[in-house]
Amino acid sequence: KQEVTQIPAALSVPEGENLVLNCSFTDSAIYNLQWFRQDPGKGLTSLLLIQSSQREQTSGRLNASLDKSSGRSTLYIAASQPGDSATYLCAASFGDKAAGNKLTFGGGTRVLVKP
Amino acid sequence: ETGVTQTPRHLVMGMTNKKSLKCEQHLGHNAMYWYKQSAKKPLELMFVYNFKEQTENNSVPSRFSPECPNSSHLFLHLHTLQPEDSALYLCASSQQTGGFGYTFGSGTRLTVV
Repeated sequence: KQEVTQIPAALSVPEGENLVLNCSFTDSAIYNLQWFRQDPGKGLTSLLLIQSSQREQTSGRLNASLDKSSGRSTLYIAASQPGDSATYLCAASFGDKAAGNKLTFGGGTRVLVKP
Repeated sequence: ETGVTQTPRHLVMGMTNKKSLKCEQHLGHNAMYWYKQSAKKPLELMFVYNFKEQTENNSVPSRFSPECPNSSHLFLHLHTLQPEDSALYLCASSQQTGGFGYTFGSGTRLTVV
């Protein structure tokens, strides 16, 4: 069974500290992996998408890496701000591009950045 | 707004009611999805529609009935629901190939009483 896991479930850091969020997946036949942000009571906002042929993606203060051999992805957020407080979810699709749009989600990591 | 609009935002219904959730996207995407987000459980994919055709039903009970009349609109018809069906129902759209451009709506918070 293809599973995506995020540990820890919650994380609290002081403002300015770098955030490191972890995601692991059980199937090395990953097609792509995406990171999303969810604010309370809201939908999800896409942050970064890494294709299986890529090792990392960057957008501003965000950097996501993908290591298929170890079944891990890491989202780095540099110099965290209180506005970064949210739940971060990773989601993977497995198989070929025909299944590339079927996402399996992790449980999320709830982040609190303290001023 | 993200480009994917869901209505209503909140819904309270009794177990014998029939109601429908609506989702609309004008992003030019050709795939649409229903996801369920329950407390303390990961987001679960319910249905996938590619080019208006249902290509995935993730063992969803028949009391949930999706409808996709065109590539821009998606409905979820609800009848005889159970209290455990209370959850946030999220609609999303994307490009069918590779899942690029995944965009979620704000969701409908459903409470079954």
